[in-house]
Amino acid sequence: DIVMTQSPDSLAVSLGERATINCKSSQSVLYRSNNKNYLAWYQQKPGQPPKLLIYWASTRESGVPDRFSGSGSGTDFTLTISSLQAGDVAVYYCQQYYSTPSITFGQGTRLEIK
Amino acid sequence: QITLKESGPTLVKPTQTLTLTCTFSGFSLSTSGVGVGWIRQPPGKALEWLALIYWDDDKRYTPSLKSRLTITKDTSKNQVVLTMTNMDPVDTATYYCAHRVVGATVFNYWGQGTLVTVSS
Repeated sequence: DIVMTQSPDSLAVSLGERATINCKSSQSVLYRSNNKNYLAWYQQKPGQPPKLLIYWASTRESGVPDRFSGSGSGTDFTLTISSLQAGDVAVYYCQQYYSTPSITFGQGTRLEIK
Repeated sequence: QITLKESGPTLVKPTQTLTLTCTFSGFSLSTSGVGVGWIRQPPGKALEWLALIYWDDDKRYTPSLKSRLTITKDTSKNQVVLTMTNMDPVDTATYYCAHRVVGATVFNYWGQGTLVTVSS
């Protein structure tokens, strides 16, 4: 299995500031034939199911605000929230689907307001 | 509008078999490219993918649990059923079913989840 490791485990950011969450895969999730990174990000608020934010490492799901962006390639990826809002408090997960269908998730990063 | 809803027992005893049903609407599991997956989450812990069934009845399982899992679909009823045998307290979790994005094994619509507790 591809192991996904997120950092940090928790993060506190002031409202309006930038939040950055990292995700590292144990092997590359870049598929050379189509030059796509098989990496997604989810947001999970308390008591709710996860919500898909980004896939193909940088493609925002329909309806996701543009303050959420994804970047990176190969084994190292970043989710950035450009200007933190109170409603962004959640746990964020990365997920690889390179080894489809044996997909794996990161351990999660808890984002709070400072 | 795509919706999914999980149903099944909230409490099972160790060694019993768990059967969960995902009832969905807004899409057809006979449409090319469509898939439905099951993902679970122990209390306070991370997500774990369990199984996936495709429109063509192709079925895939997470390797560590493959011997205990069975996923089936009933296209006429818009349902997907997951069975897990030999339940153990470590299987206590919220179980989610979710709709797979066509062309990418990511999940863009999720049910609210059902908490299953394994205890004698």
